[in-house]
Amino acid sequence: GENVEQHPSTLSVQEGDSAVIKCTYSDSASNYFPWYKQELGKGPQLIIDIRSNVGEKKDQRIAVTLNKTAKHFSLHITETQPEDSAVYFCAASGPSGGSYIPTFGRGTSLIVHP
Amino acid sequence: SQTIHQWPATLVQPVGSPLSLECTVEGTSNPNLYWYRQAAGRGLQLLFYSIGIDQISSEVPQNLSASRPQDRQFILSSKKLLLSDSGFYLCASATRRDTEAFFGQGTRLTVV
Repeated sequence: GENVEQHPSTLSVQEGDSAVIKCTYSDSASNYFPWYKQELGKGPQLIIDIRSNVGEKKDQRIAVTLNKTAKHFSLHITETQPEDSAVYFCAASGPSGGSYIPTFGRGTSLIVHP
Repeated sequence: SQTIHQWPATLVQPVGSPLSLECTVEGTSNPNLYWYRQAAGRGLQLLFYSIGIDQISSEVPQNLSASRPQDRQFILSSKKLLLSDSGFYLCASATRRDTEAFFGQGTRLTVV
């Protein structure tokens, strides 16, 4: 099955700095790579996603890059703000027997210091 | 988009008692449904997934079971809770076409 590794587990930055979270995956058939943000006591919510036919996608201060050859993808947050503090999860999924089970990384706790 | 209703939000149960957590989905039909557990340390552990009514697959052998009596209803159960069942339980839904997963707000279960 798919295996997703996520680094770092904790990331501490000053407000205004950039933050980068990296993930690798193992299944070359995976074709969908979402990123989720989880605030304390809540369920994860999608913040950005990328599909295998695209190398980069941006949405205001956040961007995701995908390198299919190397099987890694990254989340970039620029001009970080205290409200960006949360746990971030990467995931990978694809047509594995038609079930589309997303496999998640272990999460990164992002702390933005004002 | 989909809306996932999950309840209760918080639950404290004694060891050996039964459990029933319910999840219902709005805004889609015939979704894939998932139960995850998030223990301390943040990781999301997949417990069960379902691709249709009465079609349940278990990812991890454990004290829990799942059922899907209706297309948009997913239930997590236990006959006798263990201390190790404590955690944050999340229900999620995804359509085959979109593949984005929508999560409920979670249930914080504490077994005492």
